[in-house]
Amino acid sequence: GAVVSQHPSWVICKSGTSVKIECRSLDFQATTMFWYRQFPKQSLMLMATSNEGSKATYEQGVEKDKFLINHASLTLSTLTVTSAHPEDSSFYICSASSSGSEETQYFGPGTRLLVL
Amino acid sequence: GESVGLHLPTLSVQEGDNSIINCAYSNSASDYFIWYKQESGKGPQFIIDIRSNMDKRQGQRVTVLLNKTVKHLSLQIAATQPGDSAVYFCALNSGAGSYQLTFGKGTKLSVIP
Repeated sequence: GAVVSQHPSWVICKSGTSVKIECRSLDFQATTMFWYRQFPKQSLMLMATSNEGSKATYEQGVEKDKFLINHASLTLSTLTVTSAHPEDSSFYICSASSSGSEETQYFGPGTRLLVL
Repeated sequence: GESVGLHLPTLSVQEGDNSIINCAYSNSASDYFIWYKQESGKGPQFIIDIRSNMDKRQGQRVTVLLNKTVKHLSLQIAATQPGDSAVYFCALNSGAGSYQLTFGKGTKLSVIP
């Protein structure tokens, strides 16, 4: 149980384009989803917290207009990197938690983004 | 700010031996702690969790110990196997009712066959 998927698993795009990453909870309803960013050999950095049906809460220093988050249903959240630049290249990971067990986050497999 | 660190950034263990990975934290309000395993190129995988009203919890080949007095968390892996090679992160919440996690820097465990 508690399976979270991400799509795509990797993406290469040109500078200036937008990229959408999907995060799905496959066998449970996720009241809360989280988006993280991870640079090589570093820990996970929380970017934003997303609750179904409401606006995401962004961490300090994360541009909400740059990283658009939509949590339209209890099983799907999307992260759109708008006007991507090479410095946005990173490993993006989502996690999800369910109602009644909100503290435990289950992670997706991650999406590697390379912006040329 | 919150500080979550690990005593040993890298750990090499002989196959079959026990592994101990440590984590120090500074927020005394944290009441929920998790250990995650992350293999190269993959997302973190939940291993075991513990709440602040406990000081020990056991799973399959893994044990988590919590010492709230000195704000120290450890993960013990029994009979370490090559498949245990990964980076291990401790994570904790910021207090009761908080669902956001702060992650430690990670310890890379290498198992020597």
